[in-house]
Amino acid sequence: QKEVEQDPGPLSVPEGAIVSLNCTYSNSAFQYFMWYRQYSRKGPELLMYTYSSGNKEDGRFTAQVDKSSKYISLFIRDSQPSDSATYLCAMSAETAGGTSYGKLTFGQGTILTVHP
Amino acid sequence: GAGVSQSPSNKVTEKGKDVELRCDPISGHTALYWYRQSLGQGLEFLIYFQGNSAPDKSGLPSDRFSAERTGGSVSTLTIQRTQQEDSAVYLCASSPRSGYNEQFFGPGTRLTVL
Repeated sequence: QKEVEQDPGPLSVPEGAIVSLNCTYSNSAFQYFMWYRQYSRKGPELLMYTYSSGNKEDGRFTAQVDKSSKYISLFIRDSQPSDSATYLCAMSAETAGGTSYGKLTFGQGTILTVHP
Repeated sequence: GAGVSQSPSNKVTEKGKDVELRCDPISGHTALYWYRQSLGQGLEFLIYFQGNSAPDKSGLPSDRFSAERTGGSVSTLTIQRTQQEDSAVYLCASSPRSGYNEQFFGPGTRLTVL
């Protein structure tokens, strides 16, 4: 079993829909949780970052972390065709110094298409 | 400013040949990472360099894979005696320092082993 599980989709929604993307994980040492967006033939780019449990909002995007359930989510409101991409969750453990250990463990990625 | 660059963008090789993939990180970034992205496998960590510290090689899949980072800047990932299962996109990322929350990725090198 992989440390991080993510449904690969594909997920197809109409423009304006609310999108929910999720990951589950098994390693309780993970403390830093990220969502990356990857367009075709490009490298991933950081979308959202959260430390430990809680919610974080940035414009149309909301990230949620529930450490008790080992479950993280990304919500996209008012989805746009430009949101069509692969969304990857990523996680890392914490160093003794209280910072993110650089090695990221990624989910498989969910392919999202938002059609006009 | 310039982002992370990787070369070549595409590489086709024959089984059994050696290949070298190059990564130029963002200037001043001390942390450098290599990942591999295969169909249906997501991104898989390979190796992590931080300044002058010994690299974390825990993700290298076999001793055919090696990487070095010269002068704390450019990095080269070498795959010896390539196999068809090595076909993937190899991604390099850098960050200003170890523990920085964001990694900046290059566009990747698409390796095809025939």
